[in-house]
Amino acid sequence: GNSVTQMEGPVTLSEEAFLTINCTYTATGYPSLFWYVQYPGEGLQLLLKATKADDKGSNKGFEATYRKETTSFHLEKGSVQVSDSAVYFCALRGATNKLIFGTGTLLAVQP
Amino acid sequence: EAGVVQSPRYKIIEKKQPVAFWCNPISGHNTLYWYRQNLGQGPELLIRYENEEAVDDSQLPKDRFSAERLKGVDSTLKIQPAELGDSAVYLCASSLDPQRASYNEQFFGPGTRLTVL
Repeated sequence: GNSVTQMEGPVTLSEEAFLTINCTYTATGYPSLFWYVQYPGEGLQLLLKATKADDKGSNKGFEATYRKETTSFHLEKGSVQVSDSAVYFCALRGATNKLIFGTGTLLAVQP
Repeated sequence: EAGVVQSPRYKIIEKKQPVAFWCNPISGHNTLYWYRQNLGQGPELLIRYENEEAVDDSQLPKDRFSAERLKGVDSTLKIQPAELGDSAVYLCASSLDPQRASYNEQFFGPGTRLTVL
């Protein structure tokens, strides 16, 4: 069945550091891929998405590229801020229209 | 515009007691989802409604869990009786009619954190 694997946290970075959170997936067909973010005390919010191979999703300085050859959708940001501290979830949506989430990666950015 | 509203935000009960969670989706959103998020895990779908019809409840433990969405607007998820393993965050989400677009973003509420003692 469909599944998502993302790197375990926590990831601790200093402000202005480069961020990468790895995400790989297993799916039949051509899923859509997403990154969601959960700030402390809040619900999940869609951060970015990509619906087909080689698409790049971007938002708030974050980027992720849909790589079909490596079945990956790694999240990157060139310069993180303290306000980026949150839990990040990689997810896919397959033919059944159901969202499948990874386990989440906690990012802590220190000033 | 108001987001997805859930109540209560926190609930502590003893095992074998009943508990109910309430969700009010974004106005105009036809599709409503209930997820369970265990500690350190991603959300897992329990049930999906399109209007008042449950179209996917394959992951709902029907021996103790029930849900309803009367009038196709707000929804209630109930557990009776609760077990220790039910401790989790219960998330509600809503989206527009999925038949009208290739993808409709799901908007999530803040969740209800349930602790069963």
